Amino acid sequence: QKEVEQNSGPLSVPEGAIASLNCTYSDRGSQSFFWYRQYSGKSPELIMSIYSNGDKEDGRFTAQLNKASQYVSLLIRDSQPSDSATYLCAGVPGTGGSYIPTFGRGTSLIVHP
Amino acid sequence: DTAVSQTPKYLVTQMGNDKSIKCEQNLGHDTMYWYKQDSKKFLKIMFSYNNKELIINETVPNRFSPKSPDKAHLNLHINSLELGDSAVYFCASSQKKAGGPPYEQYFGPGTRLTVT
Repeated sequence: QKEVEQNSGPLSVPEGAIASLNCTYSDRGSQSFFWYRQYSGKSPELIMSIYSNGDKEDGRFTAQLNKASQYVSLLIRDSQPSDSATYLCAGVPGTGGSYIPTFGRGTSLIVHP
Repeated sequence: DTAVSQTPKYLVTQMGNDKSIKCEQNLGHDTMYWYKQDSKKFLKIMFSYNNKELIINETVPNRFSPKSPDKAHLNLHINSLELGDSAVYFCASSQKKAGGPPYEQYFGPGTRLTVT
């Protein structure tokens, strides 16, 4: 069974610090990965997508993908209290043809002033 | 303009009833999904559907059935509701690459279903 694993947290960081969120996946053939942010009572909102090994930066967010280690991470620089939310990692299996994203259970991030 | 919309936002009903949740997307995407998010926040795929293929998660009871009148709509019909069906149901859509995985998904606001 293809799985995406995340530490449920909560991860607590002070305002202005770097928050590091991690995700591992079991399907070595996975090609596409996504990070979503979900505020309490709201729907998941796409933050980043990453398809190639290496880093991808967008504003305060950096996604990192290491296919050899089957590891995806999300760095949030200059963390703000408004970043407090649950962050969901999703991977798309590379085999089987269905290409249905599999989600991790999410990591709760708390940014305290 | 709302990209992915769902109705109703809240649904409270009694065990044994039949209910439907509607979903519409105006993004022009070719694939739509239904997810169930339980109290522990785990987002579990129920169905994936485009105009050619319905993929069902085999763990979903057959009381649940997706119905797609057209490419922009995917409704979820639930028969004989049970207490364990209480959850938040999210609709999502994405565009599938030719011969490859889909681009990112966009989610609707969710429908909170409470079965009493």
